[in-house]
Amino acid sequence: AAGVIQSPRHLIKEKRETATLKCYPIPRHDTVYWYQQGPGQDPQFLISFYEKMQSDKGSIPDRFSAQQFSDYHSELNMSSLELGDSALYFCASSSERGGSTDTQYFGPGTRLTVL
Amino acid sequence: AQSVAQPEDQVNVAEGNPLTVKCTYSVSGNPYLFWYVQYPNRGLQFLLKYITGDNLVKGSYGFEAEFNKSQTSFHLKKPSALVSDSALYFCAVRDKDTGFQKLVFGTGTRLLVSP
Repeated sequence: AAGVIQSPRHLIKEKRETATLKCYPIPRHDTVYWYQQGPGQDPQFLISFYEKMQSDKGSIPDRFSAQQFSDYHSELNMSSLELGDSALYFCASSSERGGSTDTQYFGPGTRLTVL
Repeated sequence: AQSVAQPEDQVNVAEGNPLTVKCTYSVSGNPYLFWYVQYPNRGLQFLLKYITGDNLVKGSYGFEAEFNKSQTSFHLKKPSALVSDSALYFCAVRDKDTGFQKLVFGTGTRLLVSP
């Protein structure tokens, strides 16, 4: 079965640079979520999109922005990177159509290292 | 606000013995509850969920969990542990009544199954 695809899998950036993470949800899933997992930490919710509109917002820094495109893929844009942004970034997708509550299926993650 | 507590950082069990990984939750409304497993340098894999209905839910790889509303618990269990079950386990909750889609995770419990 198709899973959530994330690219790149690994990314190394310098401080103050920008990064773009991409997420391709499972086909026919309409909702995309972004989570950040620091070393030894639990995943923390950043932001989600349902049908291309922001649906929920968590602890996402103002330096980060995200959007969901017409083909339902999503991109997380990170600017003015800081050392503390080094983490594993997960994308998840689900189908919330019709008010159903589906399982969030996670991608393999993008490991961002800021030097 | 939603929260999840996993009181044990690590659980050790011998192969073939039953295992339990504990989880308690707090939500203002009714909960949706999930268990995920994470292997090293991998994404989160869905194990099982409680949405409504029977309090005992069965999931992947022989795992099951029991929803206990009075104790606000959702402990993960397996009758006979395998060495390959060794991994990091996360309990997560979503508040059904607020409409927010985000998952709030516990801090994780590392399961070590010895041969």
